[in-house]
Amino acid sequence: EAGVAQSPRYKIIEKRQSVAFWCNPISGHATLYWYQQILGQGPKLLIQFQNNGVVDDSQLPKDRFSAERLKGVDSTLKIQPAKLEDSAVYLCASSQAGTGGINEQYFGPGTRLTVT
Amino acid sequence: AQSVTQLDSQVPVFEEAPVELRCNYSSSVSVYLFWYVQYPNQGLQLLLKYLSGSTLVKGINGFEAEFNKSQTSFHLRKPSVHISDTAEYFCAVSWEAAGNKLTFGGGTRVLVKP
Repeated sequence: EAGVAQSPRYKIIEKRQSVAFWCNPISGHATLYWYQQILGQGPKLLIQFQNNGVVDDSQLPKDRFSAERLKGVDSTLKIQPAKLEDSAVYLCASSQAGTGGINEQYFGPGTRLTVT
Repeated sequence: AQSVTQLDSQVPVFEEAPVELRCNYSSSVSVYLFWYVQYPNQGLQLLLKYLSGSTLVKGINGFEAEFNKSQTSFHLRKPSVHISDTAEYFCAVSWEAAGNKLTFGGGTRVLVKP
């Protein structure tokens, strides 16, 4: 079974530029999550999708971050414009149907973003 | 807001020695508990989980954890570590009242020395 795929693995941009990350979840997984992991901290949930609908985006900085999951499969996370404090690893995870935490979340390798 | 605390940010340990990583959380009402491991430049991998039943949970790679409701703790243990256990370990909690979203602790970096 293929795991969660993410690209790119690394990205360096200057502040005020825009950037986009892509995630392909495990086949058949209805729920998709984007996390932000700042160096030295645990992952923080940014947004959660159930199929192509948003379940929770309460911690997404909506003035600069946006995410979509068209057709309920792949997802993209965009930052525009980026700030220095956005430097972090962005992790994508997926789980089987349902929003319950008891459904194991499978994580991708992450995208390491450096904003200079 | 609910919170998860990992008391040790770094734990150095010699190879073949035991290790315990501590995790406490803010409320024990209807919780599901997880430990994840993160190797360098990789995503998180589930080590073990407590959903219900026996409070002693066994996971992969010889790890185990014990759910203590009265102390709101879920400490992770391994009786004998290997060099390959060098990684960062995250405790995560899902509260049923919060829609079962995962809240992570700050992580504990384990460095196994030969």
